[in-house]
Amino acid sequence: QVQLVQSGAEVKKPGASVKVSCKASGDTFSTYGLSWVRQAPGQGLEWMGWISAYSGHTTYAQNLQGRVTMTSDTSTSTAYMELRSLRSDDTAVYYCAKGTYYGYFYWGQGTLVTVSS
Amino acid sequence: EIVLTQSPGTLSLSPGERATLVCRASQSISSSYLAWYQQKPGQAPRLLIYSASSRATGIPDRFSGSGSGTDFTLTISRLESEDFAMYYCQQYGSSPETFTFGPGTKVDIK
Repeated sequence: QVQLVQSGAEVKKPGASVKVSCKASGDTFSTYGLSWVRQAPGQGLEWMGWISAYSGHTTYAQNLQGRVTMTSDTSTSTAYMELRSLRSDDTAVYYCAKGTYYGYFYWGQGTLVTVSS
Repeated sequence: EIVLTQSPGTLSLSPGERATLVCRASQSISSSYLAWYQQKPGQAPRLLIYSASSRATGIPDRFSGSGSGTDFTLTISRLESEDFAMYYCQQYGSSPETFTFGPGTKVDIK
């Protein structure tokens, strides 16, 4: 059974950066793509981008271009999402999700990132 | 870029009733790339349906998906207490490459 375990909650000041990790187990890491999805308090789901763990190819949501970087380390089966120049509206729960074009079959438990001065 | 809308915003039903949730795309999409998720408070989303009509592993058969083109439906044949939750549809588009979520439908107890 595939498991995705994310790093713990973070509190950051506006303008800072945050890096969230997502460690996969139970399957070949390179199987499927790894996406990041966030959810602001009381809001819906927002796709942020995805990375092919096999090739390292990335695609980012247009509204986050230039502020987000997704990477993966196949030796540790871990994916990372770094978001820079944080603003208060980046406060959200950040999820990693593993899947294909057909859907995300596996999800991490979520990481709360709070941006506050 | 394709936009997904979901209706109704909230569906108030009683256990045992049938729920019909609709997801509409701003332009025709491949049914292969339409998925439905369930999310309960404080939990990560869970995949229910992929490729418009295929149930994910472990999903009860009271959940079914259908549709094509721009109109897709998630049906819960007989609501059970654990089914009261938020439901999101999602589509993959290749140009530009993006995974878009709908705004969600909340199914709550009447």
